[in-house]
This record gives sequence, C-alpha cells and structure tokens, in this order.
Amino acid sequence: AQSVAQPEDQVNVAEGNPLTVKCTYSVSGNPYLFWYVQYPNRGLQFLLKYITGDNLVKGSYGFEAEFNKSQTSFHLKKPSALVSDSALYFCAVRDTGGFKTIFGAGTRLFVKA
Amino acid sequence: DAGVTQSPTHLIKTRGQHVTLRCSPISGHKSVSWYQQVLGQGPQFIFQYYEKEERGRGNFPDRFSARQFPNYSSELNVNALLLGDSALYLCASSFGGLNTGELFFGEGSRLTVL
Repeated sequence: AQSVAQPEDQVNVAEGNPLTVKCTYSVSGNPYLFWYVQYPNRGLQFLLKYITGDNLVKGSYGFEAEFNKSQTSFHLKKPSALVSDSALYFCAVRDTGGFKTIFGAGTRLFVKA
Repeated sequence: DAGVTQSPTHLIKTRGQHVTLRCSPISGHKSVSWYQQVLGQGPQFIFQYYEKEERGRGNFPDRFSARQFPNYSSELNVNALLLGDSALYLCASSFGGLNTGELFFGEGSRLTVL
C-alpha cells in the first residue's frame, strides 16, 4: 500500500534562511508525488508535483522539491524563507489505481522574523 | 473562474443526527473527492466520484455515503453522528478520474458534533 511519512511535526527557520521540509514515501510502481500547503482554517493549496522527468521540480511561491528514488524521498525546499511561508505543509502520493491521494500527517513550518 | 465551493462552512449537530455537506467542483472538472481532516492530522480519504460513479472508498463506516449529480456537484451524507465525526470535511475536484493531476480543494465544512 502507498504511504508517505513526514518525520518532523514542526520546522523552525529564520526569515531569509533556506528551509527544508522532509518527506519519504513508499509506493509500488512509479510514484506520483505532491506537496500541498494549508493556511489556518483554509483548504489545501497545490504547490508542486513530481510525475516523471527531472528530479528537481519547481512550484509555486518559489518552492521546489527534490525527488530521490534511491532514498525514496521528496523533500520540499526554498532558498530563502519568508514569514508568510508559515503554514502547514502536506506531502502526498497518488494511489497506484489513481483514485485517491494519500496525505502525510503534515509538518508545521514556522518562519521567524 | 470560481473555485471549489462547499456549503455550509460551519455547522453544529448533536450525536445521532445526520448531516449533508455539499460541494460544487470547478467548471469542467468531472471528479470529486471527499476527505476528513481531524485537528492536527492529515486529510483522510473518504470517497472519490467520477462521472457520477463511485471509484474509490476509504476506510470509513457505512454511516458515510455520497453521491455525484449530473452537473458533477456532490453531496456527502453522514448518519448517526458520533462525537468523533467532528472534523473539517474537504471536497476536492480534478479534471479526470484516473490521472496524475493535482487536486483543487474547497475551504471545507467544519462539523462540530456535541
């Protein structure tokens, strides 16, 4: 069965510093991986996805993610964090059958000014 | 273009009652998925509908049911509410049923069961 794990409940980073939010996955077959962001009392917003091709995927708001097949990881990164990036981030994997997306437990990012 | 719209945004029910939540997908999207998000956790998959047919069901009891209408809008019904059903219920739409595209989420319906 497909699954994702986000090992950190919270990540703290100073504004202007690079940030990394970690995600590892377990799938059978080719992974379809996603990152979503959730602001307080809001729905989830799509950030980026990896389907195939380049291992470095660029997305919205300056975020990017690196797909690493050997380490089964899909870490979210940003070169310079903003206070407005503070939110809840979810890694997700599309089920092999394609009918459901499985989400991780989420990582809360706190960017301090 | 309007995004995914959900109603109601907030509601309070008592144990044993039933609730109906509604979702309108983005125009042109034919697939609707429902998720339950309990405070502090990631969204848990409940159902996916595509072209008015159920294509996937998560690990939820039969008290949970859903349907999709010819205009692709959808309803989620929960019967015999329990305290543990208190959560944010999210609806998401996508263009196809079996594809690699991302989900577009509504703002959610926050259900409180007393």
